[in-house]
Amino acid sequence: GENVEQHPSTLSVQEGDSAVIKCTYSDSASNYFPWYKQELGKRPQLIIDIRSNVGEKKDQRIAVTLNKTAKHFSLHITETQPEDSAVYFCATGGGNKLTFGTGTQLKVEL
Amino acid sequence: ETGVTQTPRHLVMGMTNKKSLKCEQHLGHNAMYWYKQSAKKPLELMFVYSLEERVENNSVPSRFSPECPNSSHLFLHLHTLQPEDSALYLCASSQDRAPRRAFFGQGTRLTVV
Repeated sequence: GENVEQHPSTLSVQEGDSAVIKCTYSDSASNYFPWYKQELGKRPQLIIDIRSNVGEKKDQRIAVTLNKTAKHFSLHITETQPEDSAVYFCATGGGNKLTFGTGTQLKVEL
Repeated sequence: ETGVTQTPRHLVMGMTNKKSLKCEQHLGHNAMYWYKQSAKKPLELMFVYSLEERVENNSVPSRFSPECPNSSHLFLHLHTLQPEDSALYLCASSQDRAPRRAFFGQGTRLTVV
């Protein structure tokens, strides 16, 4: 089955800096790559996603890049703000399920 | 509100009890999922119901039993659970075609005593 590895597990940045979270996967059939944000005590929420026919997608301060050959994809957050503090999960989709990474605790410090 | 509602939000049950978790989605989706979230294994897929077909994670113990009477409702029946089953149980729904954008409910925080 699919194996998704996510790094780093924790990340601290200063407000205004950029944050990058990386994921690698094993199943070459995976064709959908979403990112979820989970604030403390709340549900995971989809923040951006990309399909395998696209290499990069941007939505305001967040962007995702995909390298299908190397089987890795990354989340980039620019100009970080305190409200960006949360746990971020990458996932891969293929067939009828999503396989999630282990999560990254992002802390944006003032 | 994302359109996926779970009840109850919190549940404390003894190991000999039988309880059920309920999930309802109002997004017109035709696939629903149960995930278990704990400190040891964040967001672990338990069951998928897609076009009324059930797909399960073979590592899920039989003390967890799902039921999907229609595309809008999903249940997780619990019986003779163990303390290590204490976790956050999340329901999600999506379309049954790519891209499968999954939307989660608020979850049920389950404590087994």
